[in-house]
Amino acid sequence: AQSVTQLDSQVPVFEEAPVELRCNYSSSVSVYLFWYVQYPNQGLQLLLKYLSGSTLVESINGFEAEFNKSQTSFHLRKPSVHISDTAEYFCAVSDWGKTSYDKVIFGPGTSLSVIP
Amino acid sequence: ETGVTQSPTHLIKTRGQQVTLRCSSQSGHNTVSWYQQALGQGPQFIFQYYREEENGRGNFPPRFSGLQFPNYSSELNVNALELDDSALYLCASSLAASGNTIYFGEGSWLTVV
Repeated sequence: AQSVTQLDSQVPVFEEAPVELRCNYSSSVSVYLFWYVQYPNQGLQLLLKYLSGSTLVESINGFEAEFNKSQTSFHLRKPSVHISDTAEYFCAVSDWGKTSYDKVIFGPGTSLSVIP
Repeated sequence: ETGVTQSPTHLIKTRGQQVTLRCSSQSGHNTVSWYQQALGQGPQFIFQYYREEENGRGNFPPRFSGLQFPNYSSELNVNALELDDSALYLCASSLAASGNTIYFGEGSWLTVV
């Protein structure tokens, strides 16, 4: 069964510094990969996704993630964080088409705290 | 905003009671999934409905059940509530096709006392 590992439960970083949130998944077969963000007391918002094609995917707010099939990783990066980036970040994987239904498996989350 | 709406936003129930949570899908989406997110954890897949039938289920007992209506809205029902059922329940809608993104609602916070 698929599983997702987020190696860091909490990541404190100073404002305008770079950040990397790590994500590894269990299977090397074809998968779709996602990063979701959850602001306090809110639902999940899709940040970016990898379905196929270019291994580097970008979001509209400056985040990017790179799919590395050999390392089964999908790390999230941002070159300069803002206070507003403080949130919980979830890496997720889906092996669409392997079952009759679409199931997304989430990691445990990484809490990003941006320090002024 | 995703267009997926859930109600109620918060509720408190007593152990042993039953609860119904509701979800309206994003316009044009025909698939609804429900997830449970316990405090400090990632969401866990409960089940998915497509064309008014359950077509996939996670590791949850039968006291978790659901419905999908012809307009693709959905309900999650939980019977015989236990304290560990306290969580954020998230509804997500999508189009049933590989690679389509699922969009989440804001969730319903359930506290069982």
